[in-house]
Amino acid sequence: DVKVTQSSRYLVKRTGEKVFLECVQDMDHENMFWYRQDPGLGLRLIYFSYDVKMKEKGDIPEGYSVSREKKERFSLILESASTNQTSMYLCASSLSAYGYTFGSGTRLTVV
Amino acid sequence: SQQGEEDPQALSIQEGENATMNCSYKTSINNLQWYRQNSGRGLVHLILIRSNEREKHSGRLRVTLDTSKKSSSLLITASRAADTASYFCATDELTQGGSEKLVFGKGTKLTVNP
Repeated sequence: DVKVTQSSRYLVKRTGEKVFLECVQDMDHENMFWYRQDPGLGLRLIYFSYDVKMKEKGDIPEGYSVSREKKERFSLILESASTNQTSMYLCASSLSAYGYTFGSGTRLTVV
Repeated sequence: SQQGEEDPQALSIQEGENATMNCSYKTSINNLQWYRQNSGRGLVHLILIRSNEREKHSGRLRVTLDTSKKSSSLLITASRAADTASYFCATDELTQGGSEKLVFGKGTKLTVNP
């Protein structure tokens, strides 16, 4: 089975800190995605990548950046964490739009 | 972005009953997918139905698609307490860069009471 691993289940960071959320997949998928999930708002796409060193903005990229130096790893970076970035962050990978595999999520709290 | 909208937002049923969730979307699609999320976890892909298909089955799941009404339904038959989860529909969308991405609805929270 494809596995998508997010490095942390829970994180607590301070306002203004630089935060790295790591995601690794083990099935050679081309596409990787970062979503955030908030109550009442559903899943919103932050950034995605369809190849190494290629990235594209999603619907809510402001305050975030990403890095994909290797095919299996896709990192989400919060340049200067703010309290409104407290959320559940979900990473996913896929070969195409036909069926995403999600990680277990990282619940980030910014205090 | 277009977004699937699930209906109802929440559904509570007894074990053994059937659960039906609906999804409406706005523009034409290539496929529609359903996902399940247990509380506090990631989403799990359940089933995909292509735009030229009208119905699809997988175990106790039955999905229908009506492209003329831009709607889909997910039926879970003979529900179990373990089916308690949130269910999301997702539709494909082309990005400005020509890539494909999925856009998710806000989900239906299903509770199956023992």
